[in-house]
Amino acid sequence: SQQGEEDPQALSIQEGENATMNCSYKTSINNLQWYRQNSGRGLVHLILIRSNEREKHSGRLRVTLDTSKKSSSLLITASRAADTASYFCATDDSLYSGYSTLTFGKGTMLLVSP
Amino acid sequence: ETGVTQSPTHLIKTRGQQVTLRCSSQSGHNTVSWYQQALGQGPQFIFQYYREEENGRGNFPPRFSGLQFPNYSSELNVNALELDDSALYLCASSFNQGVNTEAFFGQGTRLTVV
Repeated sequence: SQQGEEDPQALSIQEGENATMNCSYKTSINNLQWYRQNSGRGLVHLILIRSNEREKHSGRLRVTLDTSKKSSSLLITASRAADTASYFCATDDSLYSGYSTLTFGKGTMLLVSP
Repeated sequence: ETGVTQSPTHLIKTRGQQVTLRCSSQSGHNTVSWYQQALGQGPQFIFQYYREEENGRGNFPPRFSGLQFPNYSSELNVNALELDDSALYLCASSFNQGVNTEAFFGQGTRLTVV
């Protein structure tokens, strides 16, 4: 089953604009991670935010986490055509399973036009 | 590049056949997880191996099985292939240090069952 639900399902913007993707989840977590996937290939880890963190930055990426609302957002600033990809949030389920594994949402497809 | 390699990259099999997919973990990683990603969906957890033992399994039937070798490389075996097994299979390696573990994914094997 999929825990995370990303919103929107698809997003189309122009280069230079900001892109915001949201993720909601259902159960308590240790951490939430964001991944990027190009053209149905491997997943690239973008950022991990722990349950006791509220905001984290990495280059042009900004991730927020609201555990009271069970939601997270990924902001990509000054987007580039190379940012075109699918973006997934994934929750670490080790609180329940005893081992670290990830439950993914269905992803947001981002298209950045030149 | 994550240092995680999967082979083959593409594979076509006939319904009822058996298939073996391979994964070489990133150096120093002792944990490997396998995921199945159907078209348009997020990856779904199949199982995880830690130090050559299966230590977690998702909602997949027993015809999905695996192995982890002393060098921490891994195999995913699927028996009695069904059409619905057509998907991208991803392996992820990590160093098990409890919670907040970052996973590194390979580029995946795309399996088509006809």
